This record gives sequence, structure tokens and C-alpha cells, in this order.
Amino acid sequence: KNQVEQSPQSLIILEGKNCTLQCNYTVSPFSNLRWYKQDTGRGPVSLTIMTFSENTKSNGRYTATLDADTKQSSLHITASQLSDSASYICVVSSYGNKLVFGAGTILRVKS
Amino acid sequence: NAGVTQTPKFRILKIGQSMTLQCTQDMNHNYMYWYRQDPGMGLKLIYYSVGAGITDKGEVPNGYNVSRSTTEDFPLRLELAAPSQTSVYFCASSYSRAGGKETQYFGPGTRLLVL
Repeated sequence: KNQVEQSPQSLIILEGKNCTLQCNYTVSPFSNLRWYKQDTGRGPVSLTIMTFSENTKSNGRYTATLDADTKQSSLHITASQLSDSASYICVVSSYGNKLVFGAGTILRVKS
Repeated sequence: NAGVTQTPKFRILKIGQSMTLQCTQDMNHNYMYWYRQDPGMGLKLIYYSVGAGITDKGEVPNGYNVSRSTTEDFPLRLELAAPSQTSVYFCASSYSRAGGKETQYFGPGTRLLVL
């Protein structure tokens, strides 16, 4: 069964600290993996998209990694800010229009 | 560009009532999608469209209908609302298929409560 599992479910960190969110998937065949940021009450916004051949991609303070062999991805946030408080969603796409969404990790950054 | 817009933002329905959730995009995207997001769950695809006049079922289409008469608009119709349809509904669009590297752009969502 195609699944995307994210951990932890929620996380609280102090402003300025780093954190890493995890994503494990069983989707096959694999096309690409995306990370989205979803602010409360808003739609998801794309952060990164990685294909099979890409094992790291950065977007400002966000760095995503992909290990296609172990079917794992991580999203590292550097020097967190209060505005980073959001849900972070891992999405794995198969060919065609098939996207499998993870349930998300809720991040809260405290001052 | 306004991007993807959705109306209404919030709606309460009684069981058995009908309503249409509106979605419009101004990016000239061919592909449009409807998702629902339930608490603690990943987004589930309801219906999608690859262009005007063409629609197809997603993962959870039962209880919903769609139409795509123009490139810009992709309304979602609930005919007989049920409590199980209480959810947040997101419309999204992309230039080409979602399985490719194209970014999907999401609307702000419609929160629906069926009582």
C-alpha cells in the first residue's frame, strides 16, 4: 500500500534553534518528493521538489534530503523563526497524477 | 495574479442539503484538483481535471461531483451533505500533471461543517 509516514507528529523548539523533520514512504513507482509548508488556516505552499537523482535541495533556511534507497527524506530548518510555526507536509508522487500526502508534522517555534 | 481563490471560506450545512464550492485560478493552468483534509490525515484527492471539459475521479469521489466548463473554474458540488463530509476542502492547480515536477498551487481552503 502506498503510504507516507511523518515524524514526529508535533514538535516545539525555541526560536533560533535548528530542527529536522522526517518522512518515510512506501510509494512505488517513485517520481518525486515534495515538502510543503501549511500555515494555520491556509493552503499548502511548496518548499522543495526532489527527483530520484537529487539527494539534497535547499530553499533559504530549509534543506531537504532524499535517500531513495531507504525511501527516507528529511527537512532541516536552520535558525528557526517564529514564522516557521506551521505544519510541514511530505508528499510523494508517482507517475501520472498520483500524489500521496503525509499527515504532516506540526512545528511550533517559541520565543 | 490572485492565484487560486476559493469561496466560501466557511459554511455550515444541514444533513441532506446541497452546495457548490467555488474555485477559480488565474494562472492559465490546465490541471485543477480538489482535495479534502481531515484532522490528523493527509490530503485526499476527490476529483481532478486535465483541461476544460475533462474530469476524472480521485481517491475519494463518492458524494461529490465536478464540472470544468472553462480553464479558470472548477466547482465542486455536494448533492446530499452527510456528516462524513465535514472537512476542509482545498482546490489546487498546476500547469502540467501533478506527478511531474510542476508545483501545485493551493487555494486558502473552504471549511465545511455538516450537522
